Amino acid sequence: KAGVTQTPRYLIKTRGQQVTLSCSPISGHRSVSWYQQTPGQGLQFLFEYFSETQRNKGNFPGRFSGRQFSNSRSEMNVSTLELGDSALYLCASSRLAGGPTGELFFGEGSRLTVL
Amino acid sequence: GENVEQHPSTLSVQEGDSAVIKCTYSDSASNYFPWYKQELGKGPQLIIDIRSNVGEKKDQRIAVTLNKTAKHFSLHITETQPEDSAVYFCAARGHSNFGNEKLTFGTGTRLTIIP
Repeated sequence: KAGVTQTPRYLIKTRGQQVTLSCSPISGHRSVSWYQQTPGQGLQFLFEYFSETQRNKGNFPGRFSGRQFSNSRSEMNVSTLELGDSALYLCASSRLAGGPTGELFFGEGSRLTVL
Repeated sequence: GENVEQHPSTLSVQEGDSAVIKCTYSDSASNYFPWYKQELGKGPQLIIDIRSNVGEKKDQRIAVTLNKTAKHFSLHITETQPEDSAVYFCAARGHSNFGNEKLTFGTGTRLTIIP
């Protein structure tokens, strides 16, 4: 069974540009969550989607947005990039949305560098 | 919202010794506490979890304990091996009637096993 696939794995952008990251969840998983990982800050929750609906949102500015398609694939977009947006962006899928039994399966992440 | 604190941030132990990582959480309604292991260049992977109705859970060399009164939980790794070297994250998930609870992660512990 294929795991969570994130593309691209690495990318470099300059300040002011925008970026779109893609995530394909495990087959049959309908929930996709996004996290930002930076040194010292751990994993910061961005948002969660379930059946194309955003179910939860973290404390990030409106420059960070996402969506989920009918096949459960998800994209996140960051507009007007800032240096502080440099991070590893992790996508995680789960069979269930939220709940105590919703184990998260993470992809290997997309490492974004903003120059 | 939930706040999870994790200590220590780095930990070095001799191969064969035990390692203990501790986390505290703030939301007394949290009822699910997973631990994730992240190896270099990979996404976090669930290694063990515990629910609020259980005080301790073991899986071979790893164990997790939960003290709901004190709102803290710990990961114990015995007979450490070089492959245990990684970053470990604790997390907590709250409970709500809306089913949209999210995982809040600690800031991570970099564990190094010294041969």
